[in-house]
Amino acid sequence: EAEVAQSPRYKITEKSQAVAFWCDPISGHATLYWYRQILGQGPELLVQFQDESVVDDSQLPKDRFSAERLKGVDSTLKIQPAELGDSAMYLCASSPRGTQYFGPGTRLTVL
Amino acid sequence: DQQVKQNSPSLSVQEGRISILNCDYTNSMFDYFLWYKKYPAEGPTFLISISSIKDKNEDGRFTVFLNKSAKHLSLHIVPSQPGDSAVYFCAALGGTSYGKLTFGQGTILTVHP
Repeated sequence: EAEVAQSPRYKITEKSQAVAFWCDPISGHATLYWYRQILGQGPELLVQFQDESVVDDSQLPKDRFSAERLKGVDSTLKIQPAELGDSAMYLCASSPRGTQYFGPGTRLTVL
Repeated sequence: DQQVKQNSPSLSVQEGRISILNCDYTNSMFDYFLWYKKYPAEGPTFLISISSIKDKNEDGRFTVFLNKSAKHLSLHIVPSQPGDSAVYFCAALGGTSYGKLTFGQGTILTVHP
């Protein structure tokens, strides 16, 4: 069964450093999402792509976060510089339409 | 503004009994609802969904009920199994944000043997 792939699974970094996360969606899924989940809360959308275009990045802190999906397939989310409050689970999801399928996530710890 | 709410942070159920997880929403533009299950250190796994044109959808042990007038949905798990112990998230699609899932805070379900 096809799955959304994410790497790394865990990342520990010091504040002010740069970090990057990678996501490979299910083949054929045109829509890709990056969510952030803080413990005890539901996931919140950071950015949504339709193919290579950003559809919604209204909740993305653009002073430090960036996301790209250059060829409309895999995607990278970057944080520079990382802050203590960025510690969270970063989830990638993809969708053909409607239901979104999530990857295993990247657990980021900023020290 | 929490548009999707799961007011019960946790639920404890005996194995074999029914688990009922509840979810309320405020945005009348939501037209598609989903339930996800999440284990620690893993991503959410899709369980079951329901369109706003229906009031019930069933898949094996899982049934989702939608009451549009009350803006309320519930997930029933019968019979509950210890492996069902996880965090359950209710999520909604629709409104002005195309494709964006709005999640509730989650309910921790514990099924005791």
